[in-house]
Amino acid sequence: AQSVTQLDSHVSVSEGTPVLLRCNYSSSYSPSLFWYVQHPNKGLQLLLKYTSAATLVKGINGFEAEFKKSETSFHLTKPSAHMSDAAEYFCSGGGNTGKLIFGQGTTLQVKP
Amino acid sequence: GAVVSQHPSRVICKSGTSVKIECRSLDFQATTMFWYRQFPKQSLMLMATSNEGSKATYEQGVEKDKFLINHASLTLSTLTVTSAHPEDSSFYICSASSSGLTDTQYFGPGTRLTVL
Repeated sequence: AQSVTQLDSHVSVSEGTPVLLRCNYSSSYSPSLFWYVQHPNKGLQLLLKYTSAATLVKGINGFEAEFKKSETSFHLTKPSAHMSDAAEYFCSGGGNTGKLIFGQGTTLQVKP
Repeated sequence: GAVVSQHPSRVICKSGTSVKIECRSLDFQATTMFWYRQFPKQSLMLMATSNEGSKATYEQGVEKDKFLINHASLTLSTLTVTSAHPEDSSFYICSASSSGLTDTQYFGPGTRLTVL
């Protein structure tokens, strides 16, 4: 069965420090993986997407994620957090059905 | 590119009335649109998948007679919540993709429905 697990429900960092949001997936075939960000009362904005090309994917706003098949992970990172990065982040996986399976979400808090 | 709009952004209605939410892909043709429901502090729950010109496919547990979905064109899908009740109050989000199978989904800004 396909599943996406975000390992942390809440992550708190100081402004200017690195961000790490963890995501693991399970799939019997090579998945498409996505990271989305959601600000309060807004829709989801695509940060980046992995589709079996380069394992290191660069996204918008300085975010990137590395696909590690051996670890079934797709963690999201950013070298230096900005106050505007505070939001809800969703890791999701897609397959040949077209549907996305979402993780539970991680709330990123950025402290000044 | 890949902009999806939703209208209205917020709606308040009385119990028993029906509410229609529109989802439009503004700069691409969406062969497939998805409707999600999101409860506070929770992830997105897929309600149904709609393909242009065909009937929507509903997820298990979603009442198709209550949540009517129409995907009449490649740029417009509508969700109608019929005979709304307070428990239907939620944040409804649509997404659209151009091929449906493996393509990226682009999300609308969401509609906050409050049923009094």
